[in-house]
Amino acid sequence: NAGVMQNPRHLVRRRGQEARLRCSPMKGHSHVYWYRQLPEEGLKFMVYLQKENIIDESGMPKERFSAEFPKEGPSILRIQQVVRGDSAAYFCASSGTNRPFEAFFGQGTRLTVV
Amino acid sequence: QKEVEQNSGPLSVPEGAIASLNCTYSDRGSQSFFWYRQYSGKSPELIMFIYSNGDKEDGRFTAQLNKASQYVSLLIRDSQPSDSATYLCAGGNFGNEKLTFGTGTRLTIIP
Repeated sequence: NAGVMQNPRHLVRRRGQEARLRCSPMKGHSHVYWYRQLPEEGLKFMVYLQKENIIDESGMPKERFSAEFPKEGPSILRIQQVVRGDSAAYFCASSGTNRPFEAFFGQGTRLTVV
Repeated sequence: QKEVEQNSGPLSVPEGAIASLNCTYSDRGSQSFFWYRQYSGKSPELIMFIYSNGDKEDGRFTAQLNKASQYVSLLIRDSQPSDSATYLCAGGNFGNEKLTFGTGTRLTIIP
């Protein structure tokens, strides 16, 4: 039973480019969460999705960031026109319907904006 | 005021001793609490969760929750060098599944 899979593990983008981060939840999990971790800081909630629905996006910056979890395929976190301040580790977590809090994290995508 | 606060450490504990990690929270509506372990450069790994007041034990780990004092702790007995990591405390509310994390406590077990 594969865990939460994120790719790419490392992503380098120039300022102004787009970054696409992908997350495949654990088998049987229907809840996906995205968190951002800046160096020496804790994890900050960004968005919570279920299939085809954004449930809570209260942690998403108002501009340039978007997320989706389509009926088929992985969840995508998209950052348009990246800036240096977007450099961080982005973690995806998933949980099952019956135990929504017990989230398991993927290995993360480390985004570096140069 | 941070919603979940942890002593950032670093906390150094001799091998074989008990490591005690503490966390306080400000949202009285928080109903569930989680401890994650994160090795440097790795993803957080869920090690304990607790919903009810009192103690919950799992192997060498004991989580304690005191809702009146808004206090959560994690005890690690017989500490091993492999326990050296950053421990993240998180709180959540039923019906709102996002977790609020503390900044983590860095624990070092000294052989």
